[in-house]
Amino acid sequence: ILNVEQSPQSLHVQEGDSTNFTCSFPSSNFYALHWYRWETAKSPEALFVMTLNGDEKKKGRISATLNTKEGYSYLYIKGSQPEDSATYLCVHTSGTYKYIFGTGTRLKVLA
Amino acid sequence: ETGVTQTPRHLVMGMTNKKSLKCEQHLGHNAMYWYKQSAKKPLELMFVYSLEERVENNSVPSRFSPECPNSSHLFLHLHTLQPEDSALYLCASSQHLLLESSYNEQFFGPGTRLTVL
Repeated sequence: ILNVEQSPQSLHVQEGDSTNFTCSFPSSNFYALHWYRWETAKSPEALFVMTLNGDEKKKGRISATLNTKEGYSYLYIKGSQPEDSATYLCVHTSGTYKYIFGTGTRLKVLA
Repeated sequence: ETGVTQTPRHLVMGMTNKKSLKCEQHLGHNAMYWYKQSAKKPLELMFVYSLEERVENNSVPSRFSPECPNSSHLFLHLHTLQPEDSALYLCASSQHLLLESSYNEQFFGPGTRLTVL
């Protein structure tokens, strides 16, 4: 059984704090790891796609790393802002339409 | 705006009703998907269409019937649903099926919140 685990399930941080979440996945049959940002009542929005061990991606204050050998990815948010409040999803791809979603990390940034 | 729209956004139906969910994408993509998210569970892939042909059906009960009349539209026909089918139903599209690069991401609609009484 292929499982994608995300931790923590939820967290609250103060505006200006930096934070990070973890996505764990089986390291076999790996094609790609995706991160999405999902605000309430809106569509999930793609943040990063990572395919190679050691990949690091950055978009503004958000960055992500990938370790395919040990099966984990970290998402970092530097200087959190209230508009960063959302659920962050990771998705493991192991082949054509073999997509396994994590349950997400719900982030609330307090002003 | 992601270019993927879904209607209705909210739907309440009885177990004997027949209703349809609609998804439309204006991105010129070749693949479209239906996902289901139940409370406290991850998104589950239900159906995949590529170039208007169904290529994946993940053991979904027959009371859910997809239809893809053209590459821009995807429907999910619902009949005799059960209360446990209450969930958020998301549509997505991508240029190709294999999501292996940043050049082939999935774009999601905002979802339809379905409640079955």
